[in-house]
Amino acid sequence: EAGVAQSPRYKIIEKRQSVAFWCNPISGHATLYWYQQILGQGPKLLIQFQNNGVVDDSQLPKDRFSAERLKGVDSTLKIQPAKLEDSAVYLCASSLDLELYTFGSGTRLTVV
Amino acid sequence: SQQGEEDPQALSIQEGENATMNCSYKTSINNLQWYRQNSGRGLVHLILIRSNEREKHSGRLRVTLDTSKKSSSLLITASRAADTASYFCATDALNSGYALNFGKGTSLLVTP
Repeated sequence: EAGVAQSPRYKIIEKRQSVAFWCNPISGHATLYWYQQILGQGPKLLIQFQNNGVVDDSQLPKDRFSAERLKGVDSTLKIQPAKLEDSAVYLCASSLDLELYTFGSGTRLTVV
Repeated sequence: SQQGEEDPQALSIQEGENATMNCSYKTSINNLQWYRQNSGRGLVHLILIRSNEREKHSGRLRVTLDTSKKSSSLLITASRAADTASYFCATDALNSGYALNFGKGTSLLVTP
């Protein structure tokens, strides 16, 4: 079974620029999550999708972050404009049963 | 917000020794999971224990759960250098769409 694919693997941008991350979950997994992991901390949930609907986006900074999951498969997470404190690894995960998650390798974002 | 808190933050042991990590959480849960993360990589699921279970084994891993104390422990027996990684506990709060909330992790170093 193919894993969760994420791209790009690394991204360096200047503050106030915009950036987008892409995630392709495991086929058939209805639930998709985006997590932010700042260095030295555990992952923090940003948004949870069930098919193409949002279940929880309470911790998503909506003034600069947006996410969508068109057609209930792939998802993109966008930051516009980026701030220095957005430097982190952005992890995508998918789940078939709301219990076992499969994580992608993440996108490491550096904002300078 | 992060639900779990791991203890210790960092642990250094020699190969062959056992490693014990603890996790405390705050709210009622459906299940508790442990994940492993190698530096710069995604998270790998290790073991899941349900709220009605007290102990679970998987290979060299032993997990206990005490719901009255809202705590869990992960024991790695006969550790190897390859066990060097960060270990996170994650809980799914019943009122959060079952999305996983992660602690800050324990950084384990196993020296040959």
